[in-house]
Amino acid sequence: AQTVTQSQPEMSVQEAETVTLSCTYDTSESDYYLFWYKQPPSRQMILVIRQEAYKQQNATENRFSVNFQKAAKSFSLKISDSQLGDAAMYFCASLDRSFKTIFGAGTRLFVKA
Amino acid sequence: DAGVIQSPRHEVTEMGQEVTLRCKPISGHNSLFWYRQTMMRGLELLIYFNNNVPIDDSGMPEDRFSAKMPNASFSTLKIQPSEPRDSAVYFCASNPSGLYGYTFGSGTRLTVV
Repeated sequence: AQTVTQSQPEMSVQEAETVTLSCTYDTSESDYYLFWYKQPPSRQMILVIRQEAYKQQNATENRFSVNFQKAAKSFSLKISDSQLGDAAMYFCASLDRSFKTIFGAGTRLFVKA
Repeated sequence: DAGVIQSPRHEVTEMGQEVTLRCKPISGHNSLFWYRQTMMRGLELLIYFNNNVPIDDSGMPEDRFSAKMPNASFSTLKIQPSEPRDSAVYFCASNPSGLYGYTFGSGTRLTVV
């Protein structure tokens, strides 16, 4: 069974600064994918970034990047040059060969102007 | 593509009434997922379909919940009879099947009074 843990219920960052959101996961599978989703106040869930477990290179998408530590089962999200529009709930998620995505409890990110 | 389309966006109903939530996945996506989001339990997978066939309904809370996917472009989630504890946001999501991220609909906020 998969589990995903986000230990930070809330985080805040100053506009233009960098923030890192933490996530740990557990799975018995060797083939799996990890994701970060963003849920702004509009409640729309938006896929931010995706990491294949077999790839050592960390995924990046513009200002968003991950630090994937496979041995430690850690998958953190770094947001650079934070913007007011980045304020949202961020969910870490795991998907394995069961084809079911399991989500963490989420981290609420506040961005201060 | 208009994305995953859910209706209604909001639903308020009285306890004991039947509720039907609707979802149109992205054309060409072979997998469809229903999730429920609450403050207490986060995002829970209720059921998922692949090629219109229910694959795993182990997350469906009880017999009052049922889901169908009569064709590739339409799915319903029905609650009969509804109870106040069913109040939540219900999301539909789809993906091309396999180990891909999801595209979510905008969700249906259900309130049972």
